[in-house]
Amino acid sequence: QKEVEQNSGPLSVPEGAIASLNCTYSDRGSQSFFWYRQYSGKSPELIMFIYSNGDKEDGRFTAQLNKASQYVSLLIRDSQPSDSATYLCGRGLTGGGNKLTFGTGTQLKVEL
Amino acid sequence: DGGITQSPKYLFRKEGQNVTLSCEQNLNHDAMYWYRQDPGQGLRLIYYSQIVNDFQKGDIAEGYSVSREKKESFPLTVTSAQKNPTAFYLCASSFSSGQDTQYFGPGTRLTVL
Repeated sequence: QKEVEQNSGPLSVPEGAIASLNCTYSDRGSQSFFWYRQYSGKSPELIMFIYSNGDKEDGRFTAQLNKASQYVSLLIRDSQPSDSATYLCGRGLTGGGNKLTFGTGTQLKVEL
Repeated sequence: DGGITQSPKYLFRKEGQNVTLSCEQNLNHDAMYWYRQDPGQGLRLIYYSQIVNDFQKGDIAEGYSVSREKKESFPLTVTSAQKNPTAFYLCASSFSSGQDTQYFGPGTRLTVL
């Protein structure tokens, strides 16, 4: 089992809909999670991070962390064509030297 | 402007040659990282450094070498021992306390001819 898993997609949603991106992880010691957006040919840019169980909202984005079930998700409300990108989930471990382990990413396509 | 710079943007290498990729940051970050990304794949950690003059191997360090002589700089050398070096290379940096966010440079795309 991979340490961090994401469905590669593509996930297609119509413009204005809610996109739901999921990430599961295998280590119960995991403490922090980071969502990055990566446009084709570009470097990743941070969307959100979450450390605690529950929801964290920032504008159209909501990160949800459930440590008991070992998953983290990113919801994008009112999806726009400019949200079309690959979304990477990164996991950090306490005492792990600030290293992150990434999933393979989920490709999101927002259709007009 | 504060940020992370990588050079060159594109690099072509003949088989058997060593090449060095540059990474510089002026964010006063303590920690720096090198990742490799292959098409359709996530990021894999090559090396990381939490402090000057110290660095550790990541998950795929074979065929690569690094140095950390200055806080601002973390160059990566891709040696001829790296069997499949064609990839997109990303440098990142962060503060090293706790689990601070990593910020990425624009990347270097290396192609072996």
